[in-house]
Amino acid sequence: GEDVEQSLFLSVREGDSSVINCTYTDSSSTYLYWYKQEPGAGLQLLTYIFSNMDMKQDQRLTVLLNKKDKHLSLRIADTQTGDSAIYFCAEYSGGYQKVTFGIGTKLQVIP
Amino acid sequence: DAGVIQSPRHEVTEMGQEVTLRCKPISGHDYLFWYRQTMMRGLELLIYFNNNVPIDDSGMPEDRFSAKMPNASFSTLKIQPSEPRDSAVYFCASMRRNSEQYFGPGTRLTVT
Repeated sequence: GEDVEQSLFLSVREGDSSVINCTYTDSSSTYLYWYKQEPGAGLQLLTYIFSNMDMKQDQRLTVLLNKKDKHLSLRIADTQTGDSAIYFCAEYSGGYQKVTFGIGTKLQVIP
Repeated sequence: DAGVIQSPRHEVTEMGQEVTLRCKPISGHDYLFWYRQTMMRGLELLIYFNNNVPIDDSGMPEDRFSAKMPNASFSTLKIQPSEPRDSAVYFCASMRRNSEQYFGPGTRLTVT
């Protein structure tokens, strides 16, 4: 079955880069997502990558996908205090139209 | 569009009472999902609908939980009777086929 794993907590200093890692198990995943959840709010899609891509860059965000190892990472350059949130990795398999979420990584940015 | 709308935003109730959570998906979205989020278990998918029909309810914890979608613009999640271990944040999300999910702001449920 599908399973998505990620570490629970990451602490970085403001201005440094953050790297949040994720592993997944479903080799038929077609999309892989990163969602952001700010305190007291729902999840919002941050970025996504197609499974046939290795990398995607969007301003301060870089997503790397290693399909062989089923490893996904999110790099946030020049991390700001406003980036403090919980980041969820998720995989999507089109057949069932379901998204499987990881447990979420809480990013703490220290001023 | 106003996004996914959930009500109430906060609910405090006593053990044994019936609780009804409500969701209005984004217009035109034909998939609707109910999730529960806790510190211990993270984000759990409870049930999802396609065109108002329940597709997978394997995540519903037990018979005390039920969900309905009487039309394309409204869904409810009901807990009867509620228990303290049901305390969590409940999210509704909707999407079009092969697209990303849009989440509502959630309902924080506290059962005392």
